[in-house]
Amino acid sequence: GNSVTQMEGPVTLSEEAFLTINCTYTATGYPSLFWYVQYPGEGLQLLLKATKADDKGSNKGFEATYRKETTSFHLEKGSVQVSDSAVYFCALRRGGADGLTFGKGTHLIIQP
Amino acid sequence: EAGVTQSPTHLIKTRGQQATLRCSPISGHTSVYWYQQALGLGLQFLLWYDEGEERNRGNFPPRFSGRQFPNYSSELNVNALELEDSALYLCASSLNGGLDTGELFFGEGSRLTVL
Repeated sequence: GNSVTQMEGPVTLSEEAFLTINCTYTATGYPSLFWYVQYPGEGLQLLLKATKADDKGSNKGFEATYRKETTSFHLEKGSVQVSDSAVYFCALRRGGADGLTFGKGTHLIIQP
Repeated sequence: EAGVTQSPTHLIKTRGQQATLRCSPISGHTSVYWYQQALGLGLQFLLWYDEGEERNRGNFPPRFSGRQFPNYSSELNVNALELEDSALYLCASSLNGGLDTGELFFGEGSRLTVL
């Protein structure tokens, strides 16, 4: 079946540090890949997505590249801010029955 | 355009009672998904409704059930509540569930507390 593995936190960084959150997946075929973000007390918001190999998704300074050869979709940001503190979920979707398959989430804490 | 809306925001019940949670998808979306987010367990797929029919369910007991109405809104029912049912229940919608590989759009969630 489909699965997503991501580093679990909490990950604590200082403001302006470089961020990488690793995500690897297992799926047949060619899934779409997503990063969602959940701020405290809120639902999930789409951060970025990529629908085919070598696509790069980007939003709000965050980037992730769909690497089929390594089945990875690592999230990066060059300079994090306190406001980036949240839980980040990597997810995949092959269509239909299961909706999104999520990783367990990475709790990111940015200290001033 | 209104997003996915869920009600109630918070719900407190006691063991053995029933809880009903509601979800309105984005206008034009026919598929509704329900997820449970319990502390320490991540996001678990519960149910998928499309065009008024239950299309798939996750690994949850039958006391978790629901339905989708003709206007595509949906209801999740949890019977015989247990303490471990305490969680944030998230609803999401998409244009159609068939071969759609696009994103799901999530509501803010309903937090259920079972005492």
